[in-house]
Amino acid sequence: DIQMTQSPSTLSASVGDRVTITCRASQSISTCLAWYQQKPGNAPKLLIYKASSLESGVPSRFSGSGSGTEFTLTISSLQPDDFATYYCQQYNSYSLTFGGGTKVEIK
Amino acid sequence: QLQLQESGPGLVKPSETLSLTCTVSGGSISSGTYYWGWIRQPPGKGLEWIGSIYYSGSTYYNPYLRSRVTISLDTSKNQFSLKLSSVTAADTAIYYCATFVWGSLDAFDIWGQGTMVTVSS
Repeated sequence: DIQMTQSPSTLSASVGDRVTITCRASQSISTCLAWYQQKPGNAPKLLIYKASSLESGVPSRFSGSGSGTEFTLTISSLQPDDFATYYCQQYNSYSLTFGGGTKVEIK
Repeated sequence: QLQLQESGPGLVKPSETLSLTCTVSGGSISSGTYYWGWIRQPPGKGLEWIGSIYYSGSTYYNPYLRSRVTISLDTSKNQFSLKLSSVTAADTAIYYCATFVWGSLDAFDIWGQGTMVTVSS
């Protein structure tokens, strides 16, 4: 099965900062990668699919890139509503795995 | 607008079987648009995919849970269900049902609110 490694596990940042989160796959997954945002007490929310496609209604400050084994989620200018935990998720041959998560905290 | 709602016992004894149901509203579970999935999250930890089912009845399971998991459809009630056998404290988690769009998204786009299940005697 494919393992997903996210880094960092915790990130401290200020409003207005540019934030980058990395997700690495243990083998190539092409662009079969999604990113989710989760706030305490809530279900995850889809942000990015197919590595770089923005889900409808998601602010344009969120962007995704990468292919193969290395992927990034970038928040161009961090807003107060963005403090949350972010997860990557890969899909390959009817099997799915999530990364361990990155918590974005207020600096 | 498609909506999902999990239901089931909040407390299960060790060695017993955890049973949860996801009720789908605003659309048909027999639609070929979605795979219907279960994901769980232990308290304070990350997300784990449990398995998914297609309207045809084809199932796909996390290999680490496959021996204990059964996911099924009830088209007459527009529901799908999860059974996890021989549970231990490690199965204590919030359980989510969600729709997986294969092909166009390869992601879970609609989630239920989740239901907490505790395994304890």
